Amino acid sequence: DTEVTQTPKHLVMGMTNKKSLKCEQHMGHRAMYWYKQKAKKPPELMFVYSYEKLSINESVPSRFSPECPNSSLLNLHLHALQPEDSALYLCASSRLLAGVYNEQFFGPGTRLTVL
Amino acid sequence: DAKTTQPTSMDCAEGRAANLPCNHSTISGNEYVYWYRQIHSQGPQYIIHGLKNNETNEMASLIITEDRKSSTLILPHATLRDTAVYYCIASNNAGNMLTFGGGTRLMVKP
Repeated sequence: DTEVTQTPKHLVMGMTNKKSLKCEQHMGHRAMYWYKQKAKKPPELMFVYSYEKLSINESVPSRFSPECPNSSLLNLHLHALQPEDSALYLCASSRLLAGVYNEQFFGPGTRLTVL
Repeated sequence: DAKTTQPTSMDCAEGRAANLPCNHSTISGNEYVYWYRQIHSQGPQYIIHGLKNNETNEMASLIITEDRKSSTLILPHATLRDTAVYYCIASNNAGNMLTFGGGTRLMVKP
């Protein structure tokens, strides 16, 4: 299994809703990532998990809350989002050996619309 | 991470080689050059990476200049399915932070 899966594919939510995005990989990768991509812009790194621990947070607002319950799963919990948070949310994973991160495998993304 | 500069867009005829340039004049000695591409409405896909030497795999070749200030990604026989945005990234030596720039939109035409 050489793919990263993300659910749901599409999500529409109101500003008062709480929702979660899910990402899964079964490649044995010990690094997992969340990116945000606005329309016609490049992806922007949000969070990096290394060995299930948060290692990088790129100054992301607290309304985005990541969670890594085990080495195969990565969640992004969403609460009180704003319309400007509408974007494609991409998950990625990579091998991690002796502090070196290998190439990243990306999922297809969740397209989020905040009304 | 070093900043990279790429042309905004390029065209290539189907079956011909596509040569995509990238400038990274401020790259440091331990930063790798990574190439990813993103086909419309999909997640980015890893293509190739290198440090100093030229690299080749089943998808592409990467030519890095001796001074490491620039590189070229070569798709030897472009097909219509290679139409995508191609990102050149100079990554930190740990490889855990990819800072995507604007990329080059490659259009392969019949």
